[in-house]
Parts: sequence; structure tokens; C-alpha cells
Amino acid sequence: DGGITQSPKYLFRKEGQNVTLSCEQNLNHDAMYWYRQDPGQGLRLIYYSQIVNDFQKGDIAEGYSVSREKKESFPLTVTSAQKNPTAFYLCASSPGTVHNSPLHFGNGTRLTVT
Amino acid sequence: DQQVKQNSPSLSVQEGRISILNCDYTNSMFDYFLWYKKYPAEGPTFLISISSIKDKNEDGRFTVFLNKSAKHLSLHIVPSQPGDSAVYFCAASGLNTGTASKLTFGTGTRLQVTL
Repeated sequence: DGGITQSPKYLFRKEGQNVTLSCEQNLNHDAMYWYRQDPGQGLRLIYYSQIVNDFQKGDIAEGYSVSREKKESFPLTVTSAQKNPTAFYLCASSPGTVHNSPLHFGNGTRLTVT
Repeated sequence: DQQVKQNSPSLSVQEGRISILNCDYTNSMFDYFLWYKKYPAEGPTFLISISSIKDKNEDGRFTVFLNKSAKHLSLHIVPSQPGDSAVYFCAASGLNTGTASKLTFGTGTRLQVTL
């Protein structure tokens, strides 16, 4: 079945360590996105990529980095510079602009940093 | 600055009744609006959308109304079912704001449908 796979579902790290969250899609979508969800807040955009080897900062990119070497993959690295990394991270994809098709989301990774 | 606002964090409705979820936006360049439904520990799933050239869009039990002059949209669920219990997010995007590929989300409304 086509979809978006985020792994792992739960991730625990010590403060000061970088951690990379995986996102893979087999929908043949051009665009991919990373959002973060915190309690009582909406989803906030971290980074997005409209084509391979290109990506743009979202609203809260500080302390994060991404790469888009393959169409299917858009990993997110949470660096030690991110002040509040504990959150629920959601990856999404779309064929093009959202006007053509809504975003399809993965089931998320809950990251806990202690 | 919260450009998409859902002022009701939670809503409780009896099974069979109508659920009305509200959303307000401030950016007049938004021209496309979506509703997503989210269960705990899962990603949001798309529910229904509406373009600014329309004022209503219907899909089964779900209807979205858009009032552009008031910058307000609402999602109606009729009749409400227990399986509708979830968090509902309103989202918006705009072709002319350089945000065609980005959605701005509200903070969500938790709907509980009781028996």
C-alpha cells in the first residue's frame, strides 16, 4: 500500500545529542514536509522540500536540518541547538501545491529528550 | 502571530446531534482551506476542503462553510457519531502569498461525541 512511513514511533535521547528522524514515502510525491506538534498548539512547519536536492525553511527551522537526496526520503535531524526538542514530529507529502492535493501525513515520531 | 485560530479547545456533543467546529483566520491572502482529523498518536487525515471561490462544500456527513468577509469557516458534522471523536485542525494556504506549498494550522478542537 502507498503511504508515508516514519520511524521509529518513539525515540529517546539525552540532551546534547543530535538525532535523525526518518521519513519515507512511496506515493511518488514531489513535495515533502516536516511539522512539529506541541500540546495545545497547532502543527508548525519546520522544513519543506518541493523537489529533490532543494528545501526551504519553515516557520521554526532553528535547531533543525534536513536533506532531500532522494524523492522518497526526507530525514530530519534535531540538533543539540534546538532548545525544546521534545515534541511529536510529523512528516507529510503532497504531489505538488496543496491546492492540487491535500497533504498526506505519516503517523509521527514522538521524541523525548531528557 | 496566530494566523489561523480555533478558539474552542474542546467540544462535547451527543451522538446523533450536529457538531459545529469553528475557525477564524487573519491573513486575507489565504484562499484555500482544509480540515484535518487526528486521532492520538497518529498523523492527521484529510477530511474536507474549500476554495475561496465557494461558500460551501459538502461531503457526506461533513459540510464546510466559508464566510470570506468575516474570515471565518466552520465544519458541520451531521449526525455526529462516536467515531468522530478526535482532534480537528483547520488549515489554510494561499497561492499568492508564496505559501502555496505550505499549510498554516490552527491549534485544534477536541471533539467528543457522547452516547
